[in-house]
Amino acid sequence: AQSVSQHNHHVILSEAASLELGCNYSYGGTVNLFWYVQYPGQHLQLLLKYFSGDPLVKGIKGFEAEFIKSKFSFNLRKPSVQWSDTAEYFCAVIPGYSSASKIIFGSGTRLSIRP
Amino acid sequence: NAGVTQTPKFRVLKTGQSMTLLCAQDMNHEYMYWYRQDPGMGLRLIHYSVGEGTTAKGEVPDGYNVSRLKKQNFLLGLESAAPSQTSVYFCASSASPHEQYFGPGTRLTVT
Repeated sequence: AQSVSQHNHHVILSEAASLELGCNYSYGGTVNLFWYVQYPGQHLQLLLKYFSGDPLVKGIKGFEAEFIKSKFSFNLRKPSVQWSDTAEYFCAVIPGYSSASKIIFGSGTRLSIRP
Repeated sequence: NAGVTQTPKFRVLKTGQSMTLLCAQDMNHEYMYWYRQDPGMGLRLIHYSVGEGTTAKGEVPDGYNVSRLKKQNFLLGLESAAPSQTSVYFCASSASPHEQYFGPGTRLTVT
């Protein structure tokens, strides 16, 4: 079965530290890739997405992600985190074969930022 | 636009009771989805719909039924609730093949 792996379950950083959250997927064909964020008590919101083109994707709030096809990875980065980035982050994939845009989500990474 | 809305926001059920969760979207999206979110497991797809009058099973469909009588609404039903169905339920919609837009969630507790 296709899967999405987020190996870091809980990351704790201090403000201004750099962030990288790992995401790997198991599907070998064309993929659409996403990072969603869920702030405490809120619903999921799209941070950024990759469909094609430049593998370095910039999203909202200073986040970016790089698609490395050879590594089946789509890691999320931010050069300097803020306390307001405390949230849960989900990587997600729509395999190219999916006819209904069915997303496969990773299990999520909880990010805690110390003020 | 309200986007995706869900009713109710919270609900407590006793084992064996039934209920229906309502999802509504005003973006004219063809695709709609129901997920459940459990700690450490991300979101898992329960059922989805690719258009009015259609439904299909997702990853964890057992114990749930759905209906899409109108394009803008997608209902999730629990006929006989079980404690294992305690979860947060999210509805989403999309205009394939683009990203999904999520509702605010329904927190369901089954005692």
